[in-house]
Amino acid sequence: ETTLTQSPAFVSASPGDTVSISCQASRDIDDDMNWYQQKPGESPVLILHEATTLAPGIPPRFSGSGFGTHFTLVINNIESEDAALYFCLQHDEFPYTFGQGTRLEIK
Amino acid sequence: EVQLLGSGGGFVQPGGSLRLSCTASGFTFSDFPMAWVRQAPGKGLEWVAMISGRGRDSYYAASVKGRFAITRDNTNNVLYLQMTRLRVEDTAVYFCAKQTHTGGWYGFDSWGQGSLVAVSS
Repeated sequence: ETTLTQSPAFVSASPGDTVSISCQASRDIDDDMNWYQQKPGESPVLILHEATTLAPGIPPRFSGSGFGTHFTLVINNIESEDAALYFCLQHDEFPYTFGQGTRLEIK
Repeated sequence: EVQLLGSGGGFVQPGGSLRLSCTASGFTFSDFPMAWVRQAPGKGLEWVAMISGRGRDSYYAASVKGRFAITRDNTNNVLYLQMTRLRVEDTAVYFCAKQTHTGGWYGFDSWGQGSLVAVSS
């Protein structure tokens, strides 16, 4: 089973800041990595797929990088609406696995 | 517009059974693998099961294998999760999810609203 280690678990940022969230895979997963945003009481929303491809309707303030075992989600020019839980997902092999999540707080 | 409408959640005693449904619309259902993902209260996401577009292939998390069964009705565009021998630790909101691409195995681009399954004596 591929373990995803996501960090940090919590980050606090002010509007206009830039935040980076990391996801480390326990084995090479090529670019089979997705990122999701989840707000309280809501279903997850796809932000990026295949590590770097922005999902439709997602603002370009969000970007992704990485290949193999290390992946990063970057949110530029943070806005208050970005307050949420962020998860990474590997779909390179079964069982699919998620990172533990990163809670983004806006000051 | 893709829509996934989940139903069938509820309260059940340990050892009991429950069947979740997810009715899909807005896309060619049989073209896309589908999955169930769950989230225990206040916890992260856990992938549960996945099924190919035609329903021939399915995969399960170790924690549910042998107890849960994922199936689909491509005539009526419905995804199912039959849950048996339920345990307290199965308590969670269960989301159905649509794969991003046809063919192969990928992540998910659309999610249902979630159905709460509460297992307690």
